[in-house]
Amino acid sequence: AQSVAQPEDQVNVAEGNPLTVKCTYSVSGNPYLFWYVQYPNRGLQFLLKYITGDNLVKGSYGFEAEFNKSQTSFHLKKPSALVSDSALYFCAVREGNYGQNFVFGPGTRLSVLP
Amino acid sequence: SQTIHQWPATLVQPVGSPLSLECTVEGTSNPNLYWYRQAAGRGLQLLFYSVGIGQISSEVPQNLSASRPQDRQFILSSKKLLLSDSGFFLCAWGELPYNEQFFGPGTRLTVL
Repeated sequence: AQSVAQPEDQVNVAEGNPLTVKCTYSVSGNPYLFWYVQYPNRGLQFLLKYITGDNLVKGSYGFEAEFNKSQTSFHLKKPSALVSDSALYFCAVREGNYGQNFVFGPGTRLSVLP
Repeated sequence: SQTIHQWPATLVQPVGSPLSLECTVEGTSNPNLYWYRQAAGRGLQLLFYSVGIGQISSEVPQNLSASRPQDRQFILSSKKLLLSDSGFFLCAWGELPYNEQFFGPGTRLTVL
């Protein structure tokens, strides 16, 4: 069975500092990995995905994520945080080629302090 | 380009009343469609998914049901709402195998 863990319930970072939101996963086959962001009372917005290829994936709004197969991780990063990045972030996994469904992590609330 | 709509945006219903939430997708054909519930602004729980007209898979047994009467229409229903049915309901669509899911704006349901 697929599963996703986001070990940090909340991440606080000062504006201008780098940020990392952690995600680890478990699938039996090849993982397809995704990051989404959610602003209050809104739907989820897609940020980036890893399907295959380069382990470093670049996405929207300056975010990037690194796929690490040996550590089964897919951490979200940004070199310089903005106050407007404050939101709820979700990591998701789908088992490649066979899985119909996505499994979402519990979410990490990011607060960027001015 | 593709767009996904949900309505209503907010809904307040008494216990025991029926429910119908609608989701429609534009700009794509034969999408996979999904209903999620998000409680207390945190994790998403997959309720139903559909790979085609009339094909519904339920992930969690509950007081809700889903239907897909048309290719790009997905409906979430209940005959009698419970207090525990309150939440934020999200519809999403996706194209397998490589693509991400795209989410609608959500419906906030409060059952009183």
